[in-house]
Amino acid sequence: GQQVMQIPQYQHVQEGEDFTTYCNSSTTLSNIQWYKQRPGGHPVFLIQLVKSGEVKKQKRLTFQFGEAKKNSSLHITATQTTDVGTYFCAGFQAGTALIFGKGTTLSVSS
Amino acid sequence: NAGVTQTPKFRILKIGQSMTLQCTQDMNHNYMYWYRQDPGMGLKLIYYSVGAGITDKGEVPNGYNVSRSTTEDFPLRLELAAPSQTSVYFCASSYITMDQPQHFGDGTRLSIL
Repeated sequence: GQQVMQIPQYQHVQEGEDFTTYCNSSTTLSNIQWYKQRPGGHPVFLIQLVKSGEVKKQKRLTFQFGEAKKNSSLHITATQTTDVGTYFCAGFQAGTALIFGKGTTLSVSS
Repeated sequence: NAGVTQTPKFRILKIGQSMTLQCTQDMNHNYMYWYRQDPGMGLKLIYYSVGAGITDKGEVPNGYNVSRSTTEDFPLRLELAAPSQTSVYFCASSYITMDQPQHFGDGTRLSIL
């Protein structure tokens, strides 16, 4: 069945360093969504990518959708302590439900 | 708007007990979902509903039941609680189609001892 793999599982950075998490699907996706979950909290929707090769930015966050619509990445520039949490990608394929990756947990030390 | 509201927030059950996790949304969303989240395992879909009266199984439905009698409510029932069902349960909803962003409740932390 459809799988969404996400790496790395954990990442620790010093405040001010950059961070990237990668998401790969075994099948072509209709869209991919990114969510952030703060420790002890619930997932919160960040962004949705639909088009092949799409790049979207939210302040220090840059999201990319691959040309083949099978992979995606989230890059955070100059991390801050407020970026701490787990970042999930979730892939959607028509006829199925949204499939979540296992997430990348980011910790930031000041 | 309250969004998606889940009750209770925490619960401890004994093996074999039953309980219902409540979920209600006030956004008039068609789709509602139940997920479980185990440490390091992401979110696994238990059941989902496309509207009142319609439910369907997700990836891990065994041991659970759901109903959707109204647009707003989507309760999750555990009939015979087992230690393997210790988890954090999230209810979510989305508007019109399944590929739309999902709005999550705060979760129910359930321990079965």
